[in-house]
This record gives sequence, C-alpha cells and structure tokens, in this order.
Amino acid sequence: EPEVTQTPSHQVTQMGQEVILRCVPISNHLYFYWYRQILGQKVEFLVSFYNNEISEKSEIFDDQFSVERPDGSNFTLKIRSTKLEDSAMYFCASSVGGEQFFGPGTRLTVL
Amino acid sequence: GQNIDQPTEMTATEGAIVQINCTYQTSGFNGLFWYQQHAGEAPTFLSYNVLDGLEEKGRFSSFLSRSKGYSYLLLKELQMKDSASYLCAVRVPGNQAGTALIFGKGTTLSVSS
Repeated sequence: EPEVTQTPSHQVTQMGQEVILRCVPISNHLYFYWYRQILGQKVEFLVSFYNNEISEKSEIFDDQFSVERPDGSNFTLKIRSTKLEDSAMYFCASSVGGEQFFGPGTRLTVL
Repeated sequence: GQNIDQPTEMTATEGAIVQINCTYQTSGFNGLFWYQQHAGEAPTFLSYNVLDGLEEKGRFSSFLSRSKGYSYLLLKELQMKDSASYLCAVRVPGNQAGTALIFGKGTTLSVSS
C-alpha cells in the first residue's frame, strides 16, 4: 500500500540553524501539506501546495518557513533560523482532494 | 475564527460502545474528518462526512449535522488497541480543492479490560 515517507525521523539542531525536512508524498497525489504538532497540543496546519505553488498558509508559516518541490517526488519544508518554539513533530500529508494521508513525522528538537 | 471542541478524555471497557462528540464553528465548511492517532505516531484516516447523516465503516461510524455544527464518532465492540487519541478535523474552503484541515485538540480514549 502506498504511503507518505519522511526523513529524518528525528532532527536535533541548535537555535538559529537552518533545517530541511523532507517528504515523499504518495505518487499520484496532487495536493501536499505540512502540519506541526507541539508535544501535547493539537495538530496545526502550516501550508498547502498544489500545482507547484503555495495554495494556502497559516499565520504560523511566516518568512522563516519555505516549501519546495525540487523534483517529481520530494516535497521539502525549510526553516531558515530555528527557534526553541519550533520544537515539534512535523507531519507531511498528501491527497488527491479527499482524505489526507499523513507521513510518520519528523521530530524536530531545537536546543 | 475557527473553533473545534471535543472532550479531552474518555474511558470505556472492552466490548463496549463509545461515542465521541465534536462541535465546530468555522468560517465555512467543506467536510469533516475523523482521524486516529496513537501516541508518537501520525494521524490515520478513519472517516469523512460532507453531507448530513451516518457513515458506517465496520466497527466505526460517524455522524454529521451541518445545521448544528455537530458530529460524533461511534466505536463499537471496543478493543484494547482502540486506546488512542481521536481527532476531529474540519476542512474549510480555500482557493483550491485540497484545503487545510483544522483540527480539534483530540479526545484521548482509554480502553480497559
């Protein structure tokens, strides 16, 4: 069964450093998303991506964040200068327009 | 603003039936989803309602009333493995069909023997 994959599973970084989180969506899906979940809190929408451009973003997705689809399979989330409060689980998801399928997540720890 | 409310915690015993309620007030509505999330894992899709009524899928059913801004997830014949967090999420209209899911805080269900 096809699934969304994410790498790395766990990333530890120093405050102020740049990180890139990687995702491979399900191959025939058209819509891609990033969500985050701070420990013990709810899942929060960050950004959606369709047809090679951002279609929606939340207020969390500020200038420190960017997304890219560098080739036909990868979908990346970059945080330019990490802050302590960026520590969270980051989930990638994809869909054909209906239910969204989530990847296993990357746990980002900012020290 | 967007507001989705669910009970924080529920407990039940194996073999029982449990109903998890969700109420929502959102700027538009384009479907309601239920996800299951085990601790430390990704949400997995359970059900989807866009029209009023009941959707049944094995041991799981979900109900929607758009006029009341209300949904519930019904779990029958509970098993220990059903112990998890259950997330109610509303899809709100946006620029494209693949739009954001707004999640509630989740209901942690504990099933005991």
